[in-house]
Formats: sequence, structure tokens, C-alpha cells
Amino acid sequence: EDQVTQSPEALRLQEGESSSLNCSYTVSGLRGLFWYRQDPGKGPEFLFTLYSAGEEKEKERLKATLTKKESFLHITAPKPEDSATYLCAVQARGSGTYKYIFGTGTRLKVLA
Amino acid sequence: EAGVTQFPSHSVIEKGQTVTLRCDPISGHDNLYWYRRVMGKEIKFLLHFVKESKQDESGMPNNRFLAERTGGTYSTLKVQPAELEDSGVYFCASSLDYIETQYFGPGTRLLVL
Repeated sequence: EDQVTQSPEALRLQEGESSSLNCSYTVSGLRGLFWYRQDPGKGPEFLFTLYSAGEEKEKERLKATLTKKESFLHITAPKPEDSATYLCAVQARGSGTYKYIFGTGTRLKVLA
Repeated sequence: EAGVTQFPSHSVIEKGQTVTLRCDPISGHDNLYWYRRVMGKEIKFLLHFVKESKQDESGMPNNRFLAERTGGTYSTLKVQPAELEDSGVYFCASSLDYIETQYFGPGTRLLVL
């Protein structure tokens, strides 16, 4: 069964303290892996799409990487405005459907 | 360009009542998805429309849920009759093509008392 696991569940960082969030997945055939940011009371906001192992994407202080089993979201020198829940989702190839399978997310709090 | 919009933003109803949620996708997006997040759980897929046709409705919990997308534009999700366990946040998403990134709306927060 396709499954996505994110860790840690919650993370508190001091401003400027770099860290990484993990998303491990088990799917029969990966079509794509997606990272979203979600602020309280809002919908998921798209960050990155990764399609193949070895691929990397960057945006400001965020960098997403992908291996055959997991993805990392690296946050370099975070600021308080980076505080949010970060969601990982996978889309499986050949499953006959194109739904996303989400992890439960990592709640990030960056302290000033 | 306007994003995905959902209405209402919040709904509080009593068990046994009916509620209809609406989603307006990004203009030109043929693919429309409904998801739900219940307290403490991950966001879960409900169904997928391609234009007005249901492509996949494997995530619909039971026959109390009815989704429609007449004309291939906006979509409605009706819950009738609502039960306590239907409480949660209902998200709508749309994409240009099924392999493209899905863009999410702000969600409708449903509370069934």
C-alpha cells in the first residue's frame, strides 16, 4: 500500500538555525513528489515538485532533494516567517488514478 | 490570476442536516479534486473530476456524499445527512492536466454537532 511518513512531527528552531525535514515514501511507482507549505486556517501552498532521484529544487531559504526512498526539505537560516506546517505528497505512476497521498506534515516553529 | 476558491469558509450544522460545499477551480483547469482532513490525520483524497466526469471516486466515504461538476466548471460536494464523523476541513484542488501540480483552495471547515 502506498504510504508517506513525515518526520519530525514538530520542530522548533531558533532564527538562523538550519535543519532538515524528512519525507519517506513507499509507492509502487513514483510519478512525482510535492512539497507544500500550509499556514493556519489556509490551504496548502505549492512549493516544489520533484520527479526523479537526484533532483534538487531551491527557493529562497528552502531546498528540496529526492532519493529513491525519501525526500528532504532543507531550511537554511530560517526566519520566523518560515513558521508553518510543511506537507509532503506523492503521486503514484500506473495506479490508474492521479490522487495525492499526503503525509501528516511537520509543524515548524522558528523563534526570533 | 485567481486561485482556487471555496465557499463557505466555515459551516456549523447539526447531525442529520444537509450541507453543500462549493469549489471554483482555476480557470482552464479541467482536473478538479476533493480532499478532506479530519482532526489529527493526514489530508485524504475523496475524488477526481476530469471536466464533468468522475475519473476516480475511490476515496468517497459512503453514499451520503455526492459530488457534482455540471458543465465542467465549478463543483459541489453535498453531505446528506451529515454525521459527527464528517467534521473536518474539506479542500478542493485543481490542475491543468492530471500530471501537473495541484493547486489548493483555502478549504471549508465543517463542524457537525
